[in-house]
Amino acid sequence: GAGVSQSPRYKVAKRGQDVALRCDPISGHVSLFWYQQALGQGPEFLTYFQNEAQLDKSGLPSDRFFAERPEGSVSTLKIQRTQQEDSAVYLCASSLAGRTLGYGYTFGSGTRLTVV
Amino acid sequence: AQTVTQSQPEMSVQEAETVTLSCTYDTSESDYYLFWYKQPPSRQMILVIRQEAYKQQNATENRFSVNFQKAAKSFSLKISDSQLGDAAMYFCAFMNYGGSQGNLIFGKGTKLSVKP
Repeated sequence: GAGVSQSPRYKVAKRGQDVALRCDPISGHVSLFWYQQALGQGPEFLTYFQNEAQLDKSGLPSDRFFAERPEGSVSTLKIQRTQQEDSAVYLCASSLAGRTLGYGYTFGSGTRLTVV
Repeated sequence: AQTVTQSQPEMSVQEAETVTLSCTYDTSESDYYLFWYKQPPSRQMILVIRQEAYKQQNATENRFSVNFQKAAKSFSLKISDSQLGDAAMYFCAFMNYGGSQGNLIFGKGTKLSVKP
């Protein structure tokens, strides 16, 4: 596609529910990132994929967070047993190159998750 | 660990005037990249301008320019001839060069309002 597509745009979950957030990067993009943006804050890194390989998951806040990109294109971020502190906008970004080259990435419009 | 600080939570500018947004960062690295991203209400992060730390010349993109002071670890964004469409959150971001890094580290952002 022409841009990075994320779905759903909004998600309301009851505390304790599992959620799955989808990211469809630009076709052919090698690198894919997930970021978490809490209200009033800048985005914070969660995890990085190069093709289907998850090379860095150091930003995932707990073992309730899990991400996958099985075929090197679409990625899913899954949050199990959601907590109120998980409420945030989840942004996906992709890049044609590997992440070491310092080019800016193309971001999606994010999924706003609200846990009630 | 690298940190990015934006000391102005909010700024306001009259249409057609010039405004400067401040950013400082802390790192022990000598090679890195700096970015300014714009985030409108649509939530999509849009790359405004990029600067390589090894370049002494300040980056410019049309009405947007930066003042990069490497020794002072300062990276301010100047917007000339401000337009109503410039109203948004602006985030300063840092990225290590090469190696296993490549994650963007963001500041908390500055909300820019443009008055007609």
